Amino acid sequence: DIQMTQSPSSLSASIGDRVTITCRASQSISSHLSWYQQRPGEAPKLLIYGASSLQSGVPSRFTGRGSGTQFTLIISSLQPEDFATYYCHRGDSAPYSFGQGTKVEIK
Amino acid sequence: QAQLVESGGGVVQAGGSLRLSCVASGLRFTSYGMHWVRQAPGKGLEWVAYIRYDGTETDYSASVKGRFTISRDSATNTLYAQMNGLRADDTAVYYCARDLVASGCRYFDLWGRGTRVTVSS
Repeated sequence: DIQMTQSPSSLSASIGDRVTITCRASQSISSHLSWYQQRPGEAPKLLIYGASSLQSGVPSRFTGRGSGTQFTLIISSLQPEDFATYYCHRGDSAPYSFGQGTKVEIK
Repeated sequence: QAQLVESGGGVVQAGGSLRLSCVASGLRFTSYGMHWVRQAPGKGLEWVAYIRYDGTETDYSASVKGRFTISRDSATNTLYAQMNGLRADDTAVYYCARDLVASGCRYFDLWGRGTRVTVSS
């Protein structure tokens, strides 16, 4: 099975910082990748699909890039509501596995 | 608006069974594939199972294959997960999620709030 690996596992950042999260697939998944945000006690929320398409209603400070095996989620200017855990997710074929998550904490 | 509401979670002994439900409202249930995703306490998201919009195709993670069965009822707009042979490592919050596909990329745009399953040993 294709493994999804995120880095870093956690990071500390300040309001206004630019944050980059990386997701690597063990084999090519083309652009079949999505990103989710999960705040404590809440269900996950879709941010990006198709590697770079912004879900309706998601702020434009979130950007997804990449294809093949290397993907990034960029938050251009971190806001208080962005402190959460972020997951990448392969959407090419089963098993539709997730990365292990990246927790973004307040510095 | 579109909503998914899970139920059926609880505490069960190891080796026991449980059936989870997910009721969809505000959407054309028969038009969408559906998934179950779980999250163990303090852990990340784990995809569990998928069912096609018409129920003719299913997929399972290796960790639940042969023990869990995903199904759906179009008359009641309900998704199910029949969980048999439960183990301690099945303890998790279980979410149902709506399936969408764009340019071959499958993703989950609508999630329920989850139902908690605890397997005691």
